[in-house]
Amino acid sequence: DIVLTQSPVLAVSLGQRATISCRASQSVSISSINLMHWYQQKPGQQPKLLIYRASNLASGIPARFSGSGSGTDFTLTIDPVQADDIAAYYCQQSRESPNTFGAGTKLELK
Amino acid sequence: EVKLVESGGGLVQPGRSLKLSCAASGFSFNDYWMGWVRQAPGKGLEWIGEINQDSSTINYTPSLKDKFTISRDNAQNTLYLQMSKLGSEDTAIYYCARARRYNYFDYWGQGVMVTVSS
Repeated sequence: DIVLTQSPVLAVSLGQRATISCRASQSVSISSINLMHWYQQKPGQQPKLLIYRASNLASGIPARFSGSGSGTDFTLTIDPVQADDIAAYYCQQSRESPNTFGAGTKLELK
Repeated sequence: EVKLVESGGGLVQPGRSLKLSCAASGFSFNDYWMGWVRQAPGKGLEWIGEINQDSSTINYTPSLKDKFTISRDNAQNTLYLQMSKLGSEDTAIYYCARARRYNYFDYWGQGVMVTVSS
C-alpha cells in the first residue's frame, strides 16, 4: 500500500500562510496526472473536498486554498488563514488500490 | 442537490453482522463510482473500498476484504456495505461518498455510527 505521511499538527496565526505537506512512499503521478487530493474536516462534520488532482480547486472552495506538487511530495497552502479554516486536513492518493489517506494534519491557532 | 444519506448503524455485539445503506439522490447514481470510508473515534480517515457503475469492479483495502462486502442497487439508487465478524476495531463512523474520475470523493454523506460492544 502507498503510505502518505503528514505532520500531525501545524500552528499558524490568523492572516498568515499555512503550508501543509503530504509525502507519499512512492510516486502517485501518472505522466502529468497527479493523483493526490485534499480534504478538510471540521469536528462533527463529514470531510469536504478541497483540491483534486493536486492543484485543482473544488467547486465552491475559496481561492485562498491552493495545491501543488508531483511525484511523492505535495502541498496544500492556505493564504491567508481565516478562523473558519481551523480544521483537520487529509491527503488521499488514488494512484493505486487500495486508495489511502494520510493520518491528517490538525491546523491550530498559534 | 446531491444528497447521500447513510442508515443502518447502531450498537452491535462482537462477532455479529450489520448492513449499512446509503441512499443517493440529486444525481444520476448509475453514472458514478461510489465508495465507503470510515473513521474510528478520534482517528483519521480509512478508505474501505469502492464499486464501479455496474458492480463489475469492486476494490477493497486488503485488511477488510474478507469481512466487508460492497454492493449497489442502481434501480433503488442505493449503495450498501455488508459487514461481518465485527470486532471492537470496527467501531467507527462510516461514510459513503461519490467518486469522480481518478477516484477522489466529491460528495460525502453525513456518516453513520457503528458501535461494536457487548
